[in-house]
Amino acid sequence: EVQLLESGGGLVQPGGSLRLSCAASGFTFSSYAMSWVRQAPGKGLEWVSSISDSGGSTYYADSVKGRFTISRDISKNTLYVQMNSLRAEDTAVYYCAKGISSGCYSSVDYWGQGTLVTVSS
Amino acid sequence: EIVLTQSPGTLSLSPGERVTLSCRASQSVSSSYLAWYQQKPGQAPRLLIYGASSRATGIPDRFSGSGSGTDFTLTISRLEPEDFAVYYCQQYGSSPFTFGPGTKVDIK
Repeated sequence: EVQLLESGGGLVQPGGSLRLSCAASGFTFSSYAMSWVRQAPGKGLEWVSSISDSGGSTYYADSVKGRFTISRDISKNTLYVQMNSLRAEDTAVYYCAKGISSGCYSSVDYWGQGTLVTVSS
Repeated sequence: EIVLTQSPGTLSLSPGERVTLSCRASQSVSSSYLAWYQQKPGQAPRLLIYGASSRATGIPDRFSGSGSGTDFTLTISRLEPEDFAVYYCQQYGSSPFTFGPGTKVDIK
C-alpha cells in the first residue's frame, strides 16, 4: 500500500524558513517522480514543484522559484522541500504526491494527507 | 503559462443525473497531458483521469474523460451520492503544471 506522510509544517514568521518532509513507502521510491502541491485555506489546488525519479530534473511554479528547493533522498525514501523567504501568501496545506511515471511531466496518483504551513507574525 | 478555465463554477444536481464538466486551456496541451482530480472536504485529492481519457486504477467506469488540444471534458454518466465533490483539471504537458480553479458538484 502506497503511503505518503508529510511532516514539518507549522507556524513561521514572514521571511522565515521551513523544511517539509514526505516519507514514502509501499512503492519503489527511486522509480517515480514526486511533486508538492499546495492549497490555501478555502482555495483551489496550486502545483508547487516536481522532481524526477533520479532528482536530475526539477521544476517550480513562478510563485516559489528562487525561494523553494525540492530534493529527494533515495536512501531514506524521503522527499523534501526547503522553503525560504516565506510570505503570508505561502500559507497553505502542502501535499506530497507521487507521479505515475519517472519524469516530471506526469500526473500524480497518490497523495499524502497534507501538512499545514502558516506564515504569520 | 497555460491557464485552465473550468466551467461551470458550481453545478447543483441530483443523484442519477449525467454530468459533463469542461476544462479549457489557453493554449494547446502537449500530448493530451491532462488529468482530472476529485476532492472531497477535508480530504486529499484523488486522481480520476490521466492522459485526457485513461481512468486511474480503481476508478469506476461511470467516470470518463475526453478531449484534446485546448478542450477537455470529464463526464460522470450517473451521479452517485459519493460523487458530490470538487473536480479539478490539471495540465502537465508544460511547466508550470497548472490546475484549473475547480468545479463544485453539489446536491440539488
